[in-house]
Amino acid sequence: SAVISQKPSRDICQRGTSLTIQCQVDSQVTMMFWYRQQPGQSLTLIATANQGSEATYESGFVIDKFPISRPNLTFSTLTVSNMSPEDSSIYLCSVDNGVRVYNEQFFGPGTRLTVL
Amino acid sequence: SQKIEQNSEALNIQEGKTATLTCNYTNYSPAYLQWYRQDPGRGPVFLLLIRENEKEKRKERLKVTFDTTLKQSLFHITASQPADSATYLCALTGGFKTIFGAGTRLFVKA
Repeated sequence: SAVISQKPSRDICQRGTSLTIQCQVDSQVTMMFWYRQQPGQSLTLIATANQGSEATYESGFVIDKFPISRPNLTFSTLTVSNMSPEDSSIYLCSVDNGVRVYNEQFFGPGTRLTVL
Repeated sequence: SQKIEQNSEALNIQEGKTATLTCNYTNYSPAYLQWYRQDPGRGPVFLLLIRENEKEKRKERLKVTFDTTLKQSLFHITASQPADSATYLCALTGGFKTIFGAGTRLFVKA
């Protein structure tokens, strides 16, 4: 299994500013995923980040709003740009175990973002 | 569009009883299905995975069934304990994409 840490664990931000969330994994992984989870809602995949290539974004999410970096096999960042109160959510990064064909995912503890 | 439905109402049961949670899905043909546990303020933790050609999978007090005809999975916790109280998420994977249900909150009373 992989151990994942995220920074910051929570933040309160002003409208119009940007926040960068860091995700660190204790082992090298090919694919990293960024999710958003709003209160009482399911996890929604924002994008998949592979090292050495541009992230792949899901419908409804764009690079200008959620730029992602993946500089190496153990680290990724997600930036929430030009924030509005609608961006208040928990942001989670995850990885899969990358060993078997059928893969479970391992999640970080999440970053709780509140936008005022 | 693809949709996963889990009972949005919390499930309250007495300690020692079996908890049964339901996951229904539409417009999707997943290769496999997973169940996760999520505690408040934490990320989901993987519990069990069942493939489309498997009917049932067990792990200690946990049992998962997968009926691709009914498009339904049942998740059972036998001899439930207060420590089992959490939100349980169902997730479906097809190709390289996983979609999650909103989860069902389980409360086990001592």
